[in-house]
Formats: sequence, structure tokens, C-alpha cells
Amino acid sequence: DTEVTQTPKHLVMGMTNKKSLKCEQHMGHRAMYWYKQKAKKPPELMFVYSYEKLSINESVPSRFSPECPNSSLLNLHLHALQPEDSALYLCASTHDLAKNIQYFGAGTRLSVL
Amino acid sequence: DQQVKQNSPSLSVQEGRISILNCDYTNSMFDYFLWYKKYPAEGPTFLISISSIKDKNEDGRFTVFLNKSAKHLSLHIVPSQPGDSAVYFCAARDTGANSKLTFGKGITLSVRP
Repeated sequence: DTEVTQTPKHLVMGMTNKKSLKCEQHMGHRAMYWYKQKAKKPPELMFVYSYEKLSINESVPSRFSPECPNSSLLNLHLHALQPEDSALYLCASTHDLAKNIQYFGAGTRLSVL
Repeated sequence: DQQVKQNSPSLSVQEGRISILNCDYTNSMFDYFLWYKKYPAEGPTFLISISSIKDKNEDGRFTVFLNKSAKHLSLHIVPSQPGDSAVYFCAARDTGANSKLTFGKGITLSVRP
């Protein structure tokens, strides 16, 4: 089983809203990732959690706030986003940081109005 | 500066023929390379990988070749099938920052029946 589940699949929010994206995996993976992907671009790394601790923040604006409540769950809290934040947000996980073969969820398509 | 380059944005091949997808990199610290396939409305799916100590890895119809001196790798799909039509991303792991993968922009492969 290599399933990473992301909810919701689609999200439309206004610039004053607060919303959260959720990512779940039950593969026992101890590293989890948030990526942002714009159309016809590669995924861009946002955050890395390793053993439930934030290990990498790629200078992401504070309107994006990650949270890792436990080893299976990763959230991304959104507040006061801008229209240019509209993108596909992908979650990934890996069990082997040496090889770092990451398994991705289907993503949340976010539109900020 | 793009460290992983997929210079051809698209490739079209006839069913049954070979598909060759190319990828170049600039960072000498990359030590592990991966190929991902992405269908529309889905997250990237891991396809095949290769360590920098090898020059070839084969898995069924998929073979990845690595030429370290040229900093070049390629993915061969033989025989190509219509279901292979997707976007293919090349990714590389930096041995100095092993939680991160750097992705290329992707190549759109179309396999004509």
C-alpha cells in the first residue's frame, strides 16, 4: 500500500478565509512533505517534517502554516492567502530518507478569489 | 538556476515504438535520481530510480540510463503504450541535503495508437 490521502480535492476560498488542507498516510513513513505546483511547472518544495518535527521550511510566507499532529497526519493551515497562491498542493511521504523515494497524494486544487 | 533540466517539453511516439525521455543536471552533489509519472488530476507516481554508482536500472518496460560524466540521464520505455501518455518528471536527490528532491519541469509524452 503506497497511499497518501489528501482532502479536500478542491477548495475555493476568499482572501480573508481560514482553511486547512489535510494529508494522511498509514505506511509508517516518518518524513512528510508539502509541495506547491503551478500549471506546467515542477513541484516546489514548501515544508519537510521528519519524525514529526519541522526540518525544512523553504522560506514560505507565514500565511501558510504547517502542522504535524502525529506520524500519520500532516496539515497545512491557510490564512489571508493571495490569488497568486492558487495552485495544486501536493503532500508526499517517504520511509527511506536515504533514497527519498517519495509517494504523493492526488493533491488539493486550491483557488483563491 | 535550474539544476534539473528537461529541455524538451513534449514527445510524441507511435504505439509499440521506443520512447526516450532525457534529463540533464548541473549539481555534482546529486547522487540519486528518480522518474515520476503524472496523469491529469493525480499526484506524481514513482516509476523508477537509479543510484549514481550505477549506469543502468531496468524494471519491465522501463529502463533508466545514467551518464555521470555527461550529467545526463534518460528513461527508455519499450514498447510504448497509449496508457503511458502522461507528464514525466525527472528528480534528483542532493547528497548534501538528503531530504530534498529537485524536480525538472516535466515532459509530456503522447503515445499514438
